Amino acid sequence: QQQVKQSPQSLIVQKGGISIINCAYENTAFDYFPWYQQFPGKGPALLIAIRPDVSEKKEGRFTISFNKSAKQFSLHIMDSQPGDSATYFCAASNDYKLSFGAGTTVTVRA
Amino acid sequence: GAVVSQHPSWVICKSGTSVKIECRSLDFQATTMFWYRQFPKQSLMLMATSNEGSKATYEQGVEKDKFLINHASLTLSTLTVTSAHPEDSSFYICSARGPTGNSPLHFGNGTRLTVT
Repeated sequence: QQQVKQSPQSLIVQKGGISIINCAYENTAFDYFPWYQQFPGKGPALLIAIRPDVSEKKEGRFTISFNKSAKQFSLHIMDSQPGDSATYFCAASNDYKLSFGAGTTVTVRA
Repeated sequence: GAVVSQHPSWVICKSGTSVKIECRSLDFQATTMFWYRQFPKQSLMLMATSNEGSKATYEQGVEKDKFLINHASLTLSTLTVTSAHPEDSSFYICSARGPTGNSPLHFGNGTRLTVT
């Protein structure tokens, strides 16, 4: 049973547009919520992460919004670029054991 | 930043043979490493948690006698797939916990295993 539900499965965005990926979780013991970017044939790379005592975190073009009461969090990619085309995974962890979402394949069209 | 190296990056083996995958933390000591498996176009599934100097903890449904994990030093964990079968073909990825209390997990670049 997947502990973190991620949507959409895929999305296409124009260059310069905004990509939005949503995740939801059930386990209230989760205390760390990272997002990873993965290119084909490579391991996932940490993009940005948030803890539940913060409602929003921004790093460059990437923003996490976190809603503790709704048990939801989302990734916004601003000014999307072709180089952002990849698969994005949300995750949640308790004591470093990560549960990953199913992944979202983002395609940025030039 | 912290680097985790996996070797080999890809391997092909015959059915019934065993293959060993190494995961090294290059510039930090990792008391805990994690092994994941990822099938094509799917998510990463945690297989086991590897602790230096002690037995690995396996997730439900993962055969510990088939996937042998050894974490003999603070910089090296190995995963051995024993008596491999074609259904074991997958992308195996390790991650290591960084050196400080709030360190993020660092992932290796994965090992593509193909069993023929």
